[in-house]
Amino acid sequence: EAGVVQSPRYKIIEKKQPVAFWCNPISGHNTLYWYRQNLGQGPELLIRYENEEAVDDSQLPKDRFSAERLKGVDSTLKIQPAELGDSAVYLCASSLESGTGPEAFFGQGTRLTVV
Amino acid sequence: TQLLEQSPQFLSIQEGENLTVYCNSSSVFSSLQWYRQEPGEGPVLLVTVVTGGEVKKLKRLTFQFGDARKDSSLHITAAQPGDTGLYLCASTDNDYKLSFGAGTTVTVRA
Repeated sequence: EAGVVQSPRYKIIEKKQPVAFWCNPISGHNTLYWYRQNLGQGPELLIRYENEEAVDDSQLPKDRFSAERLKGVDSTLKIQPAELGDSAVYLCASSLESGTGPEAFFGQGTRLTVV
Repeated sequence: TQLLEQSPQFLSIQEGENLTVYCNSSSVFSSLQWYRQEPGEGPVLLVTVVTGGEVKKLKRLTFQFGDARKDSSLHITAAQPGDTGLYLCASTDNDYKLSFGAGTTVTVRA
């Protein structure tokens, strides 16, 4: 079974430019997460979807970040315009609910460098 | 949002030594997970603990959940270079929000 697929793996852009990341979750996983991770730190949640509904976007900087999950499957995360401080790894994860809570499967991430 | 504190932040040991990393919170965990993340990869789930006092073993890794469900530890016996990575604990709240600690970076020298 294929895991969570993210693209691109790496992206270098100039500040003020737009950028988009794509995520294909594991088939049948209703929950999808976008996290941002700085070097040597734990992932920080940006947004969580249940099917196509964003149920938690409280940590998403909505002035420049947007996300969508059409048809409750693939998802895209966009930044416009990018700032130097947005440089980080952007991780997508998906999960099924279990009796003990979500067990998340992560993609390899997209490493964004803003110059 | 539950605040998770992990310690130590960094740990460097020689191959064959043992190590323990910790995860603590001021509030009770409904469940707690441990992940390992290697450079350039996403975190990979190692274990989920749910019951206070629970102990789970995964080969040379032993996971303990505190009786009060506010703390957890991960012990690695006879560490190997392949154990090198960022060890993350994560918890969920009643709303299924999955939150991570800052992690412990473990380096095992050959």
